Amino acid sequence: SQQGEEDPQALSIQEGENATMNCSYKTSINNLQWYRQNSGRGLVHLILIRSNEREKHSGRLRVTLDTSKKSSSLLITASRAADTASYFCATNQGAQKLVFGQGTRLTINP
Amino acid sequence: DAGVIQSPRHEVTEMGQEVTLRCKPISGHNSLFWYRQTMMRGLELLIYFNNNVPIDDSGMPEDRFSAKMPNASFSTLKIQPSEPRDSAVYFCASILSGRSDEQYFGPGTRLTVT
Repeated sequence: SQQGEEDPQALSIQEGENATMNCSYKTSINNLQWYRQNSGRGLVHLILIRSNEREKHSGRLRVTLDTSKKSSSLLITASRAADTASYFCATNQGAQKLVFGQGTRLTINP
Repeated sequence: DAGVIQSPRHEVTEMGQEVTLRCKPISGHNSLFWYRQTMMRGLELLIYFNNNVPIDDSGMPEDRFSAKMPNASFSTLKIQPSEPRDSAVYFCASILSGRSDEQYFGPGTRLTVT
């Protein structure tokens, strides 16, 4: 079963706007990761946040983690058409194993 | 580095046939993961290996599925006999355990069983 649940399932915004995706999970984690998947491709790692971290930045990406609420958010600022993809959160509960959510399908309209 | 390599990229087969999917992890990586992705069930972990040893195969759907990793640079996922409900995209991923938890995914094999 999928532990991570992304919200929303689909998001459509205009180019230049910010996109926010949320992820909730159920059990304790070592870290939480976000991945991007372009249509017909494999997943690509974006960012990892550890359980003792609250916020992390990487370029136009900002990830937050609230372990008390068992939730995380991914913010993409100044979106571009190339950001159109599906975004997945994945929780690491130890022993290298990741549990992926169902994903958010993001569409950036030019 | 060429990244994780999977073959074939597409496979169409008839129900009852044996299917073998192949994966070459990134050189030096010591953990390998097999996933299945469908619209209904999302991305599911089937099995993973650490140093060529299967660690967790609890995600393998049934006995028709088997996976091997004879050496550090090659793994196979076999379905015998295949069924239409096995149609999915199968991904292989690898990591360098102990250095990073970031998984590197291959391009996937799209399997269609008719």
